[in-house]
Amino acid sequence: EDQVTQSPEALRLQEGESSSLNCSYTVSGLRGLFWYRQDPGKGPEFLFTLYSAGEEKEKERLKATLTKKESFLHITAPKPEDSATYLCAVVTGAGSYQLTFGKGTKLSVIP
Amino acid sequence: EAGVAQSPRYKIIEKRQSVAFWCNPISGHATLYWYQQILGQGPKLLIQFQNNGVVDDSQLPKDRFSAERLKGVDSTLKIQPAKLEDSAVYLCASSLGIQGTEQYFGPGTRLTVT
Repeated sequence: EDQVTQSPEALRLQEGESSSLNCSYTVSGLRGLFWYRQDPGKGPEFLFTLYSAGEEKEKERLKATLTKKESFLHITAPKPEDSATYLCAVVTGAGSYQLTFGKGTKLSVIP
Repeated sequence: EAGVAQSPRYKIIEKRQSVAFWCNPISGHATLYWYQQILGQGPKLLIQFQNNGVVDDSQLPKDRFSAERLKGVDSTLKIQPAKLEDSAVYLCASSLGIQGTEQYFGPGTRLTVT
C-alpha cells in the first residue's frame, strides 16, 4: 500500500527564518509527486509537480526538490502570508490518476 | 476563469438523514473528483469521473454514498443515511484530462453529522 508521511506535523517560524518541510513516500511506481497549499476553510491550491529524482521547481519563496524516497519543500525568508497547511501527494501505478495525500504540515510564520 | 464551484458551503444534519452536495467544475475540464477530508487528515479520493463515466470508485462506501455526473458537467454526491463518522469536508476538484497533473479544488462543503 502506498504511504506518504509528512514531517513535522506543525512548524512555527519567525518571519525571515528559512526552513524545510519533508515528505517521504513508500510507493510502487511513482508517476508524480505534488505539493499543495491549503488555507483554512479553503480547498488545496496547486503549487508544484515533480516527476523524477533530481528535479527541482521554484515559485517565489518556495522551492521543491525530489529524491527517490522523499521530497522537500524549502521556504526561504518566509512571510506571515506563507502560513498555511502544506500537503504532499503522490500518483502511482497505472489507470486512474489518483492522488494519495499525506496529512500535511501546518506552517505558522510569526511576524 | 471561474474556479470550481460547490454548494452548500456548510451543512448540519442528524445521523440517519440524507444529504447531497453539488459541484460545478471548471469549464472544459473533463475529469472530476470527489474527496473526503477529515479534520487533521489529507484529502482521500472517493470517486473520479471522466466526462460522465466513472474511472475509479474503489474507496466510495457504496452502501451509503452515491455520485453522478449527468451530461459530463456538474456532479452530485449523496450520502444516505449519514453516520457520525461522515463528518468531514467534501472537496470537489477538476482537471483538464484524465492524467490530471493539476487538479483544481473547490472550497469544499463542511458536513457535520450530529
